[in-house]
Amino acid sequence: DAEITQSPRHKITETGRQVTLACHQTWNHNNMFWYRQDLGHGLRLIHYSYGVQDTNKGEVSDGYSVSRSNTEDLPLTLESAASSQTSVYFCASSESLAGTDTQYFGPGTRLTVL
Amino acid sequence: RKEVEQDPGPFNVPEGATVAFNCTYSNSASQSFFWYRQDCRKEPKLLMSVYSSGNEDGRFTAQLNRASQYISLLIRDSKLSDSATYLCVVIPRNFNKFYFGSGTKLNVKP
Repeated sequence: DAEITQSPRHKITETGRQVTLACHQTWNHNNMFWYRQDLGHGLRLIHYSYGVQDTNKGEVSDGYSVSRSNTEDLPLTLESAASSQTSVYFCASSESLAGTDTQYFGPGTRLTVL
Repeated sequence: RKEVEQDPGPFNVPEGATVAFNCTYSNSASQSFFWYRQDCRKEPKLLMSVYSSGNEDGRFTAQLNRASQYISLLIRDSKLSDSATYLCVVIPRNFNKFYFGSGTKLNVKP
């Protein structure tokens, strides 16, 4: 069955370190998204991609970067981790450019920055 | 102003009760609407789309009120397994991004 996976599921790191969170989907979806979820804020969009070599900033992109070298993967990099980036991170994918298709979410990565 | 706003709850209801949530959106040009369900510490999953004429899926009914810019979710005959957080999602016209509400927490008690 097609799926979307994230790794690691849990990560503890120190302030200032570079961290990369992996997201891999096997649906062959063009669209991929990264969100963070914090209490009281719901899901906030960090970056998104509509296809290979395409990346776009979301509403909370500062301190994060992504690259899309193939259809299946959209890794999220925290250039220099900060305590404010402690959060649960969800990756998602969807099929169409219309944006009206269901977004399928990965299981999430719980990141703690000490 | 947030794109999408929801009452965070929690809504505490007994089994068998009927409960309704509303979600307001700010962009009048919004074109697509969804309800997602999220269990504690899990990923969100699509519950149902919301169509202009309203739609039903078993015990769940979703409605859209464009004039007042809100969507609603009605759950009839609540089950313990309905306990979760319900997120509303709005997609503006010509704008391929999902805007999530912060969620409404539902607790169904025995």
